[in-house]
Amino acid sequence: GNSVTQMEGPVTLSEEAFLTINCTYTATGYPSLFWYVQYPGEGLQLLLKATKADDKGSNKGFEATYRKETTSFHLEKGSVQVSDSAVYFCALIRLRSGGSNYKLTFGKGTLLTVNP
Amino acid sequence: NAGVTQTPKFQVLKTGQSMTLQCAQDMNHEYMSWYRQDPGMGLRLIHYSVGAGITDQGEVPNGYNVSRSTTEDFPLRLLSAAPSQTSVYFCASSRGQGGYGYTFGSGTRLTVV
Repeated sequence: GNSVTQMEGPVTLSEEAFLTINCTYTATGYPSLFWYVQYPGEGLQLLLKATKADDKGSNKGFEATYRKETTSFHLEKGSVQVSDSAVYFCALIRLRSGGSNYKLTFGKGTLLTVNP
Repeated sequence: NAGVTQTPKFQVLKTGQSMTLQCAQDMNHEYMSWYRQDPGMGLRLIHYSVGAGITDQGEVPNGYNVSRSTTEDFPLRLLSAAPSQTSVYFCASSRGQGGYGYTFGSGTRLTVV
């Protein structure tokens, strides 16, 4: 079945540091890949997405590139801010004919804390 | 646009009670899903729907019921609450297949005592 593995947290950084959160996936075919962010006490927000190999998703200074050869979708940001403190989830949807096409499979989340 | 609206935001139930968590979206999305979020477990799919009148089970469906009589609404029913159902519940909707992300509601925090 489909699965997503992301780096264990928590991750603690100083403001303006470089961020990488690793994400790898297992799925046959060509899944669509997502990063979601959850701020304290809120629901999940879509941060960025990529739907095919070598696509780069970007938003709010965050980037992730769909690497089919390494089955990875690592999240990066060049200079984090205190306001980036949140839980980040990597997720995938794999499309196939018939069956459960619509399930969003999540990693377990990575808590990021950015200190001033 | 209101997006995905969940009510209530907080609820405390006694073991054995039943209740319905409400979810409504105003984006004319076909697909809707219910997830529960537990510490260390990420988000797990309870039930999902690909259109009015069509629902199916996810990973953890036991103890929950759903129906989808309209495009807008997708209520989740707890039949007989148990302490193991203490969790944060999220409803989500999407307008199409995998290329589109899901939009999430703000969640319902449920405690069963």
